[in-house]
Amino acid sequence: DAGVIQSPRHEVTEMGQEVTLRCKPISGHDYLFWYRQTMMRGLELLIYFNNNVPIDDSGMPEDRFSAKMPNASFSTLKIQPSEPRDSAVYFCASSFRAGPYEQYFGPGTRLTVT
Amino acid sequence: SQQGEEDPQALSIQEGENATMNCSYKTSINNLQWYRQNSGRGLVHLILIRSNEREKHSGRLRVTLDTSKKSSSLLITASRAADTASYFCATGLNQGGKLIFGQGTELSVKP
Repeated sequence: DAGVIQSPRHEVTEMGQEVTLRCKPISGHDYLFWYRQTMMRGLELLIYFNNNVPIDDSGMPEDRFSAKMPNASFSTLKIQPSEPRDSAVYFCASSFRAGPYEQYFGPGTRLTVT
Repeated sequence: SQQGEEDPQALSIQEGENATMNCSYKTSINNLQWYRQNSGRGLVHLILIRSNEREKHSGRLRVTLDTSKKSSSLLITASRAADTASYFCATGLNQGGKLIFGQGTELSVKP
């Protein structure tokens, strides 16, 4: 298995632009997680899905952030409009429902908003 | 606030020495996991210990869990330069697959 795949690996954009991050989880995994990592705030859980359904989006910072999972093999995290404070590394992770719930992380997308 | 808090924040040792990292948490948990992150990479799962277990081993790793004190420790024996990384504890609550990560311990192993 190729593991969790994220694209793009790096994204540089200007403030106000729309940004879309993509994730392909490991085949057969039914949990998908989006995290954000910064030096100041550490690793934050933004949202997670179970069987393509959002379960907990309490970590989504504000309405500018949205996430979708249209099918079991694809998810997007969208920021519109982007702001400089959104600069961070965004990770996608997946895990298998039957447990023991260890999560497999993708390589991350480094987002820079200027 | 973060569920898990790690101590120390940074640790520097010589190759061959043992490294011990501690994690404290606040609420009841289902399991506790340790992850490693090399610079510029995603996190990698190391070991999981369930709430009804007290100690677990995996190669050079030893994890203990004390639910009465709400704390865990990760011991890496005979450390190597390749162990240089950040180590995170993560608590699994009774909410499916959700994990809450601590701030991490940055380990530096000097050759």
